[in-house]
Amino acid sequence: DAKTTQPTSMDCAEGRAANLPCNHSTISGNEYVYWYRQIHSQGPQYIIHGLKNNETNEMASLIITEDRKSSTLILPHATLRDTAVYYCIVRPPEGGSYIPTFGRGTSLIVHP
Amino acid sequence: DSGVTQTPKHLITATGQRVTLRCSPRSGDLSVYWYQQSLDQGLQFLIQYYNGEERAKGNILERFSAQQFPDLHSELNLSSLELGDSALYFCASSVDAGPSTDTQYFGPGTRLTVL
Repeated sequence: DAKTTQPTSMDCAEGRAANLPCNHSTISGNEYVYWYRQIHSQGPQYIIHGLKNNETNEMASLIITEDRKSSTLILPHATLRDTAVYYCIVRPPEGGSYIPTFGRGTSLIVHP
Repeated sequence: DSGVTQTPKHLITATGQRVTLRCSPRSGDLSVYWYQQSLDQGLQFLIQYYNGEERAKGNILERFSAQQFPDLHSELNLSSLELGDSALYFCASSVDAGPSTDTQYFGPGTRLTVL
């Protein structure tokens, strides 16, 4: 399964866009990129996922580079409630067992 | 509210004991995942069941076991507990009809403290 690399921590001012990068240079053509976040000791929460095209939902936007080796999660107007650990994971295609690997994620701190 | 329920919320027990954690997935979800999260290890995948069958196994200790019942709820059994087993245990469920529909919905977790 493709591995992901994320910065350990980032910070962002409230109201500004938060751009969280993820490197997945060994991703294969049919593996999906999923993003989750975990607010202090709560269960992780799904944010968004994508394969090739950029995706947007009510929570965030996901930009995947053309070579698919990296992606960026964008929170367009970060609020204090967006302070959390953000995880980027790669989901392989069907067939074979899949070991979800969340890693350490990026700890995002949104400050006033 | 993710729709995934876990019981109990908190569990305090002693070393050497055995406990059972319970998870009820979202309605319609066939897949259940179990994770362990301790302070120094991050979120670690333990095991996945799909429609009653074991589908994938992570670094789950032999002292731990799980099963998924016909009504799709799942139980994680932890035995011969050690201090190091103290952690948050999360359950997640998904439709898991394929990689594009494998969004995992997590429960609130069970906090296990082993004294």
